[in-house]
Amino acid sequence: NAGVMQNPRHLVRRRGQEARLRCSPMKGHSHVYWYRQLPEEGLKFMVYLQKENIIDESGMPKERFSAEFPKEGPSILRIQQVVRGDSAAYFCASSPKGEQPQHFGDGTRLSIL
Amino acid sequence: DAKTTQPTSMDCAEGRAANLPCNHSTISGNEYVYWYRQIHSQGPQYIIHGLKNNETNEMASLIITEDRKSSTLILPHATLRDTAVYYCIVRVTGANSKLTFGKGITLSVRP
Repeated sequence: NAGVMQNPRHLVRRRGQEARLRCSPMKGHSHVYWYRQLPEEGLKFMVYLQKENIIDESGMPKERFSAEFPKEGPSILRIQQVVRGDSAAYFCASSPKGEQPQHFGDGTRLSIL
Repeated sequence: DAKTTQPTSMDCAEGRAANLPCNHSTISGNEYVYWYRQIHSQGPQYIIHGLKNNETNEMASLIITEDRKSSTLILPHATLRDTAVYYCIVRVTGANSKLTFGKGITLSVRP
């Protein structure tokens, strides 16, 4: 049973460009969570989605960041007009039901030039 | 979610048991204790969770005190690959809730 798949593993963007991070949850998991880990800091929750619905976006920056989890296909975290401060590791986790343990992917390392 | 307190770091010898403590004195009756670990440059890995009874799986054992104000994660036979940051997290039962990570404890397993 494949784990949570994130791609790309590494992404380099110039300031002002857009970054799209993809997450394919484990088979049978319909709940997806995104977390961000800034350099030398802990993981911070960003957003929680359940197929086509955003359940909790309390950790999402108010501007430039959006997330979706369409009926078909992976979950996407989109960052518009990236800035240097967006450089971080972005992790996706999934679970079959919201109250069950979350299982994480190995993240996307985003670097902004 | 209740706050947890963990030592900053600890080490143990390879092959010996590693006992990682966690305090969660403000834990509520509907909050589970979760343990995750993060090996360098990888995503967090789920280890174990429990409510009030002790739990054991193929990776570790979780011992929760009777008053639920603290717990201990036990790795029975630590290996070099167990070197990681270990996070103790409390999470509300049944809610579609996020995980709140603290700084965790860095476990170094020495040969």
